[in-house]
Amino acid sequence: EAGVAQSPRYKIIEKRQSVAFWCNPISGHATLYWYQQILGQGPKLLIQFQNNGVVDDSQLPKDRFSAERLKGVDSTLKIQPAKLEDSAVYLCASSLEGDIHSPLHFGNGTRLTVT
Amino acid sequence: AQSVTQLDSQVPVFEEAPVELRCNYSSSVSVYLFWYVQYPNQGLQLLLKYLSGSTLVKGINGFEAEFNKSQTSFHLRKPSVHISDTAEYFCAVTKIQGAQKLVFGQGTRLTINP
Repeated sequence: EAGVAQSPRYKIIEKRQSVAFWCNPISGHATLYWYQQILGQGPKLLIQFQNNGVVDDSQLPKDRFSAERLKGVDSTLKIQPAKLEDSAVYLCASSLEGDIHSPLHFGNGTRLTVT
Repeated sequence: AQSVTQLDSQVPVFEEAPVELRCNYSSSVSVYLFWYVQYPNQGLQLLLKYLSGSTLVKGINGFEAEFNKSQTSFHLRKPSVHISDTAEYFCAVTKIQGAQKLVFGQGTRLTINP
């Protein structure tokens, strides 16, 4: 089966600019996650979708980050405006269902550098 | 809330030597535990998980981990490592009740020297 697809692979922007990342999960996977992985740290969950509804966005900085999954398939994560501390790898993951018995499948990530 | 501490940020070992990567967790409720591996320029892959039953869990690529509830640990071991095991390893925890929200440790970079 095809894995989780993410684009772009790399992105360099200046602070205060906007950026968007795209994720296409594995076909049939109802649950989609966006994680932020800052250098030297483990991934941190930003937002979790079940189909096109938000399950958990408690750690999403909503003043600048937004995410959507309009048709319950692919998803977009946006940052506007970006700050230096947003430099990180943004990982998308999907699972068949959002329970513990559905393993997470991760994409290769988008590496964002904010200068 | 749950938290995970990986005690070593980097672990260098020689090829064919044994290795142990340490993980301790903190939680006020019962949890499930995981180890993920991230090879260079790739996404995370599940190595193994502890949900219930035997406290010794075997995963892919010859890795195993032991859940120790009294010490709140879930250390990862391999008796003989290969160059291809060079990667970053993440321990993660999630509470048993509720949606699968993984909390990750900060990672341990395993470097295998020939």
